[in-house]
Amino acid sequence: DSGVTQTPKHLITATGQRVTLRCSPRSGDLSVYWYQQSLDQGLQFLIHYYNGEERAKGNILERFSAQQFPDLHSELNLSSLELGDSALYFCASSVSTGTNYGYTFGSGTRLTVV
Amino acid sequence: DAKTTQPPSMDCAEGRAANLPCNHSTISGNEYVYWYRQIHSQGPQYIIHGLKNNETNEMASLIITEDRKSSTLILPHATLRDTAVYYCIVRVAAGGTSYGKLTFGQGTILTVHP
Repeated sequence: DSGVTQTPKHLITATGQRVTLRCSPRSGDLSVYWYQQSLDQGLQFLIHYYNGEERAKGNILERFSAQQFPDLHSELNLSSLELGDSALYFCASSVSTGTNYGYTFGSGTRLTVV
Repeated sequence: DAKTTQPPSMDCAEGRAANLPCNHSTISGNEYVYWYRQIHSQGPQYIIHGLKNNETNEMASLIITEDRKSSTLILPHATLRDTAVYYCIVRVAAGGTSYGKLTFGQGTILTVHP
């Protein structure tokens, strides 16, 4: 157990639907990062939050949004789902964004869009 | 962030040292080298990082060349459980809006044989 909790572990939904993925960071970690891993794209950075504020955006689609709440947990919302959104979604956390800190990843949510 | 180049795959016998190379010839002076690994669709796991000095921890050693253009991750006594994809990542130092993200390449698939 890495200390980063992601729920649900598996999610199957239909095209056009909306889902919410949840991430609870390790205790004391202020930063949360979201990554998408599909078979053909590898691990892609989506977005980074630090203490409730968005800090960096990667290749995140407009249909996707995220937020970090006051208790530091984060949610990734995916809407108007397409078949190509099927992927593993990982959340990672770190104490800070400084380079002396490694990231701790959760075990991921496997999303299947049918 | 500087790009990295890694061999797509490597083999190693169990009990032997695994030496995984990484080329990062365009690395800047304030960029760190990080190593992560991912075991079969689990969340990536932090291994080690360094700036210019060699580093060692309970998992591995990191050797960075004097010109910092390449590095080698060493797993001193590889086991079957070390079979994974190993990612070498160069990350900008703190500051700016992109320093929080890790840019994963394709990595090296290390297979440890009995």
